[in-house]
Amino acid sequence: QKEVEQNSGPLSVPEGAIASLNCTYSDRVSQSFFWYRQYSGKSPELIMSIYSNGDKEDGRFTAQLNKASQYVSLLIRDSQPSDSATYLCAVRYGTSYGKLTFGQGTILTVHP
Amino acid sequence: DAGVIQSPRHEVTEMGQEVTLRCKPISGHDYLFWYRQTMMRGLELLIYFNNNVPIDDSGMPEDRFSAKMPNASFSTLKIQPSEPRDSAVYFCASSLGSQPQHFGDGTRLSIL
Repeated sequence: QKEVEQNSGPLSVPEGAIASLNCTYSDRVSQSFFWYRQYSGKSPELIMSIYSNGDKEDGRFTAQLNKASQYVSLLIRDSQPSDSATYLCAVRYGTSYGKLTFGQGTILTVHP
Repeated sequence: DAGVIQSPRHEVTEMGQEVTLRCKPISGHDYLFWYRQTMMRGLELLIYFNNNVPIDDSGMPEDRFSAKMPNASFSTLKIQPSEPRDSAVYFCASSLGSQPQHFGDGTRLSIL
């Protein structure tokens, strides 16, 4: 069973701090990795995708991928209260073109 | 460009009734996904289609659930007969090839 594991949290950080969200996955044959943000009562929205080892930065967000350790993370710099949401890690395994496997999500709270 | 459109947004019905959820994917997308989200189980993939053909329905909980995609711009998820444990938020998502999935706003289903 291919799985994606996240710490469900809640993770609480002060405004302006760096929030670090982590995700591990179970299968080495994985090609694509995604982070979705979901506000309460809303649908998941894509915020980052990463396909190769290393870091990818987009504004205040940085995704980090380490395939050898089967680990992907999301860093949010200068956290704002508007970042408070559930963050879902999703993995596309190599043998399931099109299909994503989602983690349970990490609840992030940024307090003023 | 319009996103994924789902209807209805909310549905409340009595146990035993038939429920039909509808989805219009983003124009040009060739993959369509149906998910169910609950607090206990998180986001679960029910079924997905590629070019209108069902590829993987292993997530469909039981025979009471069925899904169709008669053409590239429309899909339905049907529950008959409905049960209280089917209460959840149902999301439809679509994607183009290996690109990330985009989610609709969801249907909040309550079975009394």
